[in-house]
Amino acid sequence: GENVEQHPSTLSVQEGDSAVIKCTYSDSASNYFPWYKQELGKRPQLIIDIRSNVGEKKDQRIAVTLNKTAKHFSLHITETQPEDSAVYFCAASPLSGNTGKLIFGQGTTLQVKP
Amino acid sequence: NAGVTQTPKFQVLKTGQSMTLQCAQDMNHEYMSWYRQDPGMGLRLIHYSVGAGITDQGEVPNGYNVSRSTTEDFPLRLLSAAPSQTSVYFCASSKTSGLKETQYFGPGTRLLVL
Repeated sequence: GENVEQHPSTLSVQEGDSAVIKCTYSDSASNYFPWYKQELGKRPQLIIDIRSNVGEKKDQRIAVTLNKTAKHFSLHITETQPEDSAVYFCAASPLSGNTGKLIFGQGTTLQVKP
Repeated sequence: NAGVTQTPKFQVLKTGQSMTLQCAQDMNHEYMSWYRQDPGMGLRLIHYSVGAGITDQGEVPNGYNVSRSTTEDFPLRLLSAAPSQTSVYFCASSKTSGLKETQYFGPGTRLLVL
């Protein structure tokens, strides 16, 4: 089955710096890759997603890139702010058109220091 | 819309007891899923459903049962609770509608098995 590896497990940056989180997946049939942000004690919230027919997607300070050949995708946060501090999860959907089955990475705890 | 709701918010069980975690959504979503979240292990898929009457196993299905008799509800049953099932449980739902397939999470149920 699908396996998703996420690195690093923790990341500390200064406010204003950029942060990059990387994920690799194993199933070449996966075609949907969302990123979730989870604040302490709260539910995961979708922040951005990308499909396999797109190489890059950007939403203000957040961007995601996808390399299908290498089977990895990355989250880029620019101009980080203290409110970006949270746990970030990547995920992959191994069933075409089915977002009900997501396999998640282990998570990255991002700390943005003021 | 209430979105995805879960009950109870918190539950303490003794080893061997049974219980049902409730999940409901009012968005007419076809897909529903159950995840468990443990420290350092991300979100792991337990069971998922692509529609009423259809369920399938995820990554960690042992010890859990599900059924989907209606589109709105997707209960998770623990037949004989074990300490290893102590975790935070999230229910999620999503809809296939073109390119806007987002999985929405409920607030979670925190389960402690003694």
